Amino acid sequence: GAGVSQSPSNKVTEKGKDVELRCDPISGHTALYWYRQSLGQGLEFLIYFQGNSAPDKSGLPSDRFSAERTGGSVSTLTIQRTQQEDSAVYLCASSLVTGGDEKLFFGSGTQLSVL
Amino acid sequence: GQSLEQPSEVTAVEGAIVQINCTYQTSGFYGLSWYQQHDGGAPTFLSYNALDGLEETGRFSSFLSRSDSYGYLLLQELQMKDSASYFCAVGGGATNKLIFGTGTLLAVQP
Repeated sequence: GAGVSQSPSNKVTEKGKDVELRCDPISGHTALYWYRQSLGQGLEFLIYFQGNSAPDKSGLPSDRFSAERTGGSVSTLTIQRTQQEDSAVYLCASSLVTGGDEKLFFGSGTQLSVL
Repeated sequence: GQSLEQPSEVTAVEGAIVQINCTYQTSGFYGLSWYQQHDGGAPTFLSYNALDGLEETGRFSSFLSRSDSYGYLLLQELQMKDSASYFCAVGGGATNKLIFGTGTLLAVQP
């Protein structure tokens, strides 16, 4: 597809379960971000992949959160032992970083609800 | 670290002009971006300023002053469809990651 694709669009899980969220970035985009947005709040940075560089994991809130990006394309965000405070929209974005121009293209997000 | 401050809410009437300010703190500054997010939607890119001055794109303009660590988004001829949240964002730091402000909720009234 032409845009950033995220799946699933909605995920309801029970406290303590693990979840995996998927992001398919725009083909050729070297940078990929994960953000978290709680209702009515801003975008909280989680993790940033740029080309073959080591990912910037400085925004991950705890060691229950991890992410990988395979083959420089698809990314998976994994949350282990989910807690109710993990409930939020998880947004993925990609960009073609050239000359410092940082135009991010966002997916529609995954709404995660932890019961 | 990086941090950005924006007003939480702004209200204006149709046809008016509104300015949304953003002050930031970051190391290794690269540029200031603005994004629009309608309720229930994904953020979409509006503008990017790498250098001081005003960038104009239709009804929207964005300004940057690097010496003051300050920028603003100017929306002219406001329309009801401009009601949305607006986020400023800076790229910087060792990895040039993009950090967003807390967002400004713009309500356009008839």
